[in-house]
Amino acid sequence: GENVEQHPSTLSVQEGDSAVIKCTYSDSASNYFPWYKQELGKRPQLIIDIRSNVGEKKDQRIAVTLNKTAKHFSLHITETQPEDSAVYFCAASVGTGGFKTIFGAGTRLFVKA
Amino acid sequence: EAQVTQNPRYLITVTGKKLTVTCSQNMNHEYMSWYRQDPGLGLRQIYYSMNVEVTDKGDVPEGYKVSRKEKRNFPLILESPSPNQTSLYFCASSPTSEYEQYFGPGTRLTVT
Repeated sequence: GENVEQHPSTLSVQEGDSAVIKCTYSDSASNYFPWYKQELGKRPQLIIDIRSNVGEKKDQRIAVTLNKTAKHFSLHITETQPEDSAVYFCAASVGTGGFKTIFGAGTRLFVKA
Repeated sequence: EAQVTQNPRYLITVTGKKLTVTCSQNMNHEYMSWYRQDPGLGLRQIYYSMNVEVTDKGDVPEGYKVSRKEKRNFPLILESPSPNQTSLYFCASSPTSEYEQYFGPGTRLTVT
């Protein structure tokens, strides 16, 4: 069946460094790729998303890149801050109409001050 | 305030005792979905609904039922809960599929 693989599962960086999280997906018909951030004890919240007709999208310190040929997309966080510490999930819409959503297993990001 | 609400937030129950977790959104969203979150497995979709009276299975539908009789409500029903359904459950809604999903606060369910 469809799946989304996410790496690494844990990432530790120094404040000010960059962090990169990578995901691959299996459904070549996927068109929508959101990234969610979940702080401890909180609900997931969207931080950025990208659609299949776009190769890159940026919002301040956060950027996402998409390679449809390789079925691969990545989250880039620059100038990391302690408040960036959280679990990050990638996801992909799958199936006819993109009604199903498959999430990656998550990446726990630690930003050390 | 635009929001997704879930009730109850915490529930401890016993095997086989039917339960319902309610979910409601006030944003007039067409698309609603239920997920379960387990350590190391991320969020797995249980059921989703594209609109009133239109529902379909996600990746892990076994042991769950849903209904969508009104646009704002999307209850999750466990007819005969089992310990392997102990999990953190999230309801989410979005204007349509392939759009940002807004999550509820979560329901932590323990089945003994």
